[in-house]
Amino acid sequence: AQSVTQLGSHVSVSEGALVLLRCNYSSSVPPYLFWYVQYPNQGLQLLLKYTSAATLVKGINGFEAEFKKSETSFHLTKPSAHMSDAAEYFCAALSGGYQKVTFGTGTKLQVIP
Amino acid sequence: KAGVTQTPRYLIKTRGQQVTLSCSPISGHRSVSWYQQTPGQGLQFLFEYFSETQRNKGNFPGRFSGRQFSNSRSEMNVSTLELGDSALYLCASSLPGREETQYFGPGTRLLVL
Repeated sequence: AQSVTQLGSHVSVSEGALVLLRCNYSSSVPPYLFWYVQYPNQGLQLLLKYTSAATLVKGINGFEAEFKKSETSFHLTKPSAHMSDAAEYFCAALSGGYQKVTFGTGTKLQVIP
Repeated sequence: KAGVTQTPRYLIKTRGQQVTLSCSPISGHRSVSWYQQTPGQGLQFLFEYFSETQRNKGNFPGRFSGRQFSNSRSEMNVSTLELGDSALYLCASSLPGREETQYFGPGTRLLVL
């Protein structure tokens, strides 16, 4: 069964610093991969997705992620953190068809002024 | 274009009662998925509907059920509520042929007392 592992349930960065949120997936077949952001009391918003095209995927709000098959990783980065980036981030994988998406446990990002 | 809407946004029930949650997908979207989000279990897939048929189902007891109407609107029902059913229930919709990209609603927060 597909699993998604997010390293670090809480990450703190200073405003203007690099954001790096880690995600590893387990699958013999590269799945579709996603990063979502969730602000308090809201649903999930899609940041970016990997669907077997370019391995470096650019998303909204300056975020990007790189698919590395050899490392089964899909880490999320942003060069310079902004206060508005404080939220919870979820990595997710879709494989085996249809909508059976597997989510990671989430990483709460704190941005320190 | 309006996003995914979920009603009600907040709900308080007591143990043993049943509850029905509603989800209206984005216009033109025919696939609707439901997820349960709790602090302990994270985001878990409940089920997915397409053209009024359940295509996929997660590992939840039979107390959790759903349906989809001809206009793609979906409802989920939880019978004989338990304290552990307290959660944020999220609905997501997607376009035909683009099911890998889901758009989430704001969720319904259910509190079972």
